[in-house]
Amino acid sequence: RKEVEQDPGPFNVPEGATVAFNCTYSNSASQSFFWYRQDCRKEPKLLMSVYSSGNEDGRFTAQLNRASQYISLLIRDSKLSDSATYLCVVNEGEMQADKLIFGTGTRLQVFP
Amino acid sequence: DGGITQSPKYLFRKEGQNVTLSCEQNLNHDAMYWYRQDPGQGLRLIYYSQIVNDFQKGDIAEGYSVSREKKESFPLTVTSAQKNPTAFYLCASTAGTSVYNEQFFGPGTRLTVL
Repeated sequence: RKEVEQDPGPFNVPEGATVAFNCTYSNSASQSFFWYRQDCRKEPKLLMSVYSSGNEDGRFTAQLNRASQYISLLIRDSKLSDSATYLCVVNEGEMQADKLIFGTGTRLQVFP
Repeated sequence: DGGITQSPKYLFRKEGQNVTLSCEQNLNHDAMYWYRQDPGQGLRLIYYSQIVNDFQKGDIAEGYSVSREKKESFPLTVTSAQKNPTAFYLCASTAGTSVYNEQFFGPGTRLTVL
């Protein structure tokens, strides 16, 4: 079983749509969780850290469900510029960032 | 502007040659990392360094070597012992080693072995 699993997509949605991505992780001791965005042939950039209470940043909402070991990302009112690959990242360590596990990413394509 | 630079952006190498990828940061970050990204796979950790003159192997260190002589620099050498070196290489840094630290990435180097 993969440590961090994501649906690779692609998710093809029209502008204005709401889209949700899920990510499951295998290590119940994981401490921190992130969503990164990666544009084609570019480096990943942090989109959101995911807090246990859930957090929102404009059109983006991230939630964590420790009992079921998954995190989610909701994008409302999709824009063409949201087209990218979204990486789920889980830190399995207690102190060290060397335990970051990256998912393979979910590709989103927003069309006019 | 603070950030991470990697050079070159594209690199072509013949089989049997060693090649060194540059990574420089002016963020004053203590920790630096090298990842490799292949199509359909998540980023995989090659080496990381939490402090000058110290580094540790990641999950796929075989065929690679690093040095950390200066805080701002963390070059990666891909040796001829690396069996499948063609990939996208990403350098990253963090301000500390807390699990909550964000990783900042450089723009990457695409290495192709001919």
